[in-house]
Amino acid sequence: QSVLTQPPSVSGAPGQRVTISCTGSSSNIGAGYDVHWYQQLPGTAPKLLIYGNSNRPSGVPDRFSGSKSGTSASLAITGLQAEDEADYYCQSYDSSLSSYVFGTGTKVTVL
Amino acid sequence: QVQLQESGPGLVKPSQTLSLTCTVSGGSISSGSYYWSWIRQPAGKGLEWIGRIYTSGSTNYNPSLKSRVTISVDTSKNQFSLKLSSVTAADTAVYYCARGLRYFDWWDYWGQGTLVTVSS
Repeated sequence: QSVLTQPPSVSGAPGQRVTISCTGSSSNIGAGYDVHWYQQLPGTAPKLLIYGNSNRPSGVPDRFSGSKSGTSASLAITGLQAEDEADYYCQSYDSSLSSYVFGTGTKVTVL
Repeated sequence: QVQLQESGPGLVKPSQTLSLTCTVSGGSISSGSYYWSWIRQPAGKGLEWIGRIYTSGSTNYNPSLKSRVTISVDTSKNQFSLKLSSVTAADTAVYYCARGLRYFDWWDYWGQGTLVTVSS
């Protein structure tokens, strides 16, 4: 039921910038619903990383930033660090499905 | 600091009912500022929203699971629960409970998750 599409993987060297896209449609992101991002470290529960498209919860480094435009959203990680190796998921609401939906997930690898 | 902890059987037989409980500590589940959700993740796969409950008892379910899901709340025990009936192997997953902020649609606190395997 993943109606939000993400690249399966992205990678970068320490210190580099990587971006993760989240592509939706007119019934979710394009309909104006907010996008949120979660970081899931290996073997742990997801952790809220970005809420309301571009807001960081307290304690989340400002290396993480989010944006939204049209039917897509993006998560950027600048100054990539080894501890950023994790799976990242976007999340929104879909009016056609009447359900909260998650992205397909992206694995970030630090080279 | 709010903490959520899932509990329940780790093995359920096909066609039976999966039952899990989430115990909330460090805060009252009765606060009208929040809602309480269940989310699951099959091994190696993505996340799927199951449903949510407000302390008023009002619920919303994922339409793809609605016919099999019941979420309830017990404010006296600071717990909420999930029941998923007629389970199959496709319901094998790590089940998470999570807290959402009323009027918003993200989850700020999550339990550590519990693996439920459906097998005979």
